[in-house]
Amino acid sequence: QVQLVQSGGAVVQPGGSLRLSCAASGFTFSNFGMHWVRQAPGKGLEWVAYIWYDASNSYYEDSVKGRFTISRDSSKNMVFLQMNSLGAEDTAVYYCARNADRGYPPAPYFDHWGQGTLVTVSS
Amino acid sequence: DIQMTQSPSSLSASAGDTITISCRASHNISFFLNWYQQKPGRTPELLISAASILHSGVPKRFSGSGSGTDFTLTISSLQLEDVATYYCQQSYSVFTFGGGTKVEF
Repeated sequence: QVQLVQSGGAVVQPGGSLRLSCAASGFTFSNFGMHWVRQAPGKGLEWVAYIWYDASNSYYEDSVKGRFTISRDSSKNMVFLQMNSLGAEDTAVYYCARNADRGYPPAPYFDHWGQGTLVTVSS
Repeated sequence: DIQMTQSPSSLSASAGDTITISCRASHNISFFLNWYQQKPGRTPELLISAASILHSGVPKRFSGSGSGTDFTLTISSLQLEDVATYYCQQSYSVFTFGGGTKVEF
């Protein structure tokens, strides 16, 4: 069965950096794009970043552009989120999610989610 | 950027009720609209993709409709296990979630 197991959440000081990891299993990882989504405490879901199945393209939410980098290692079935210049507004539970799509043109959706990992930015 | 507006932000219902949640896009997104359910303390789960396609394993009391800018999630015969926050999401131009609708008993 599809599993996405996350790690890397921590408490980090403002201005600091952190790398989140998401280990995938139960499917052919190199066939699927992957996302990061976050949820601030008591708030709604916010899409953060997306990387294509072959890593040839990536996309970012405006507030994280230039600070966050999504990457993947298909030899290890893992996707990463490198977060730099962190601020209090980045405090959230971060989820990785698998991209799937249907139809033509393909309509994307997020069909499997990791368990979430908490990032707290605080001095 | 495409903005997604859900209404209401919360609602209270009773077992057996039929409820509807609305989602409006700021631009025409055709059928590129998904619905997710997040139960308290849990990870979000996909309910419906492409506006109306029920995801595998999702009970048939959930249904989605709409296209263009206006979409609806309907839950018929509401059950206690449906207490959750529901989010719409557009996937027409990158991705944006609505603000969520909290369903309580």
